[in-house]
Amino acid sequence: DAGITQSPRHKVTETGTPVTLRCHQTENHRYMYWYRQDPGHGLRLIHYSYGVKDTDKGEVSDGYSVSRSKTEDFLLTLESATSSQTSVYFCAISVGQTNYEQYFGPGTRLTVT
Amino acid sequence: AQSVTQLDSHVSVSEGTPVLLRCNYSSSYSPSLFWYVQHPNKGLQLLLKYTSAATLVKGINGFEAEFKKSETSFHLTKPSAHMSDAAEYFCVVSDQGGNNRKLIWGLGTSLAVNP
Repeated sequence: DAGITQSPRHKVTETGTPVTLRCHQTENHRYMYWYRQDPGHGLRLIHYSYGVKDTDKGEVSDGYSVSRSKTEDFLLTLESATSSQTSVYFCAISVGQTNYEQYFGPGTRLTVT
Repeated sequence: AQSVTQLDSHVSVSEGTPVLLRCNYSSSYSPSLFWYVQHPNKGLQLLLKYTSAATLVKGINGFEAEFKKSETSFHLTKPSAHMSDAAEYFCVVSDQGGNNRKLIWGLGTSLAVNP
């Protein structure tokens, strides 16, 4: 258990509304990541953070923004949700000094209607 | 650039028979390699990792993977499948070209175990 929680765990929202997902870690890790998982696509990186206020884009960042004002919290915002953003969202942290394995939160299932 | 290819999208075995899930990688650097497992409607769990200390890596639940540099492969094996092994398995390589600790994911192999 890497001490990662995600909230909410499930959410249904309407097209055009903003949505914020929260990732919280208890172990003070520097690197955090947001992924989405869709059938046939595996895991795709949305955004990541390498420290407080330090973030960068992943491969599917359009329509998403992130913020990290504290080490323990990494927020993902869908600025105006679309049906194509219906997905399962996972947060992860990176640990280790050389091998960089990642540990994951339980996921958030988001449905945009 | 690093990449990873899982050669089978679906594998079906009978309970008690061996499991082989194939993974090839491409890396300009000495890679770090991982296998993750995801049971239905569950999160992702690290199964094992290649640390360069040994080419044969043992993981949880009886799984092993062998790093073969000459073949650029990191296949996952288990001598005897159990019903509880039915899951999605992901082969992953670390992106060591930058300082971001990103992982590059294969598309996954769905393992079915038949009674």
